[in-house]
Amino acid sequence: DVKVTQSSRYLVKRTGEKVFLECVQDMDHENMFWYRQDPGLGLRLIYFSYDVKMKEKGDIPEGYSVSREKKERFSLILESASTNQTSMYLCASSISGASAVYEQYFGPGTRLTVT
Amino acid sequence: KQEVTQIPAALSVPEGENLVLNCSFTDSAIYNLQWFRQDPGKGLTSLLLIQSSQREQTSGRLNASLDKSSGRSTLYIAASQPGDSATYLCAAEYNQGGKLIFGQGTELSVKP
Repeated sequence: DVKVTQSSRYLVKRTGEKVFLECVQDMDHENMFWYRQDPGLGLRLIYFSYDVKMKEKGDIPEGYSVSREKKERFSLILESASTNQTSMYLCASSISGASAVYEQYFGPGTRLTVT
Repeated sequence: KQEVTQIPAALSVPEGENLVLNCSFTDSAIYNLQWFRQDPGKGLTSLLLIQSSQREQTSGRLNASLDKSSGRSTLYIAASQPGDSATYLCAAEYNQGGKLIFGQGTELSVKP
């Protein structure tokens, strides 16, 4: 069964802290994604990765960085958390390949509050 | 600009009713379209994926159709149940690479 897990369901951090959100998938997927979801704005892509050590900016990368040292793990880093980064963060993964069908599988989400 | 729109934002129906959720997209050069379900405070669960070469997909009481020429997809739910209450999102993929563009979702409430 497909599984994407995220390190925390709820997280409360203070302004200025460095925050790590971890995502792990057990499906040997090449592609991994980080989204944030906000009321009225929907899901927006922050960063994605097509392979180990590869990363590409999504639509809203400012204030975030990512790390992918192993195929199964994709980390989102908030270098200096700010209150406008309070949000629900969702990780997803999918397979890759020329003829692949890129069905995305999502983790349960991390609700981050920055105070 | 590639955009995905879902109308209405919210829908309330009595149990047992058949219903249709709508999704429209601005660019017909779609690669595939995926429908998701999201329960409050939870992640997304994939329901159906329709490739650009397909016109519909079925899973149980769910049927999703894709009409590229009109820029529309619909999700049909037969014999709705209170357990179907959730937010339903559609997402379009335009480039072979997995990036999705999401609609804002339709919040469905099925009343017993």
